[in-house]
Amino acid sequence: AQKVTQAQTEISVVEKEDVTLDCVYETRDTTYYLFWYKQPPSGELVFLIRRNSFDEQNEISGRYSWNFQKSTSSFNFTITASQVVDSAVYFCALSEGSNTGNQFYFGTGTSLTVIP
Amino acid sequence: NAGVTQTPKFQVLKTGQSMTLQCAQDMNHEYMSWYRQDPGMGLRLIHYSVGAGITDQGEVPNGYNVSRSTTEDFPLRLLSAAPSQTSVYFCASSYSVRGYIHEQYFGPGTRLTVT
Repeated sequence: AQKVTQAQTEISVVEKEDVTLDCVYETRDTTYYLFWYKQPPSGELVFLIRRNSFDEQNEISGRYSWNFQKSTSSFNFTITASQVVDSAVYFCALSEGSNTGNQFYFGTGTSLTVIP
Repeated sequence: NAGVTQTPKFQVLKTGQSMTLQCAQDMNHEYMSWYRQDPGMGLRLIHYSVGAGITDQGEVPNGYNVSRSTTEDFPLRLLSAAPSQTSVYFCASSYSVRGYIHEQYFGPGTRLTVT
């Protein structure tokens, strides 16, 4: 079974619109870590955020915000006032910690296109 | 710090050839991993290592070998290349502090084509 599901394969928005990328995870561990990465067209993987299972505070960084809800096993990512530079593939990932060799499980990614 | 480096950036192989993708990190990270990225499939773990001398299989290990003789280096060997191994390969490293997991740092990737 997929440990991380990103049901949205592709999303297109017009510049300045808000967009939310969904991420649903599955784990039986009580300690785990969630991540978001961005992969722009140039191909590199850029780390955006890490969240621990024991810290459910939402986080805002500029136009980016993350909503972590353990009750629904979701870790959604919202971009406010999207810009063309936000066009990329976004990956959500789960790590169950050092007991599993720090394996990361990635979702299949959401391709975001921001239309000018 | 150079971070995570990978060589080569591009490679074309014929079916049946073998080769080694190089990966090195200079951050003294204990964890290292190899992924392959295929369209629509995200990043899939091939092999990983929790420290020098210790490696284990990930989700898609068939056709690949790894070794970790030093903390810095984690080469990936393709034993007999097949067209199904055409992909982009990423190496990553990470670390933990008192069991607290930190993010993975990724190399720039190797684009491999097997004809």
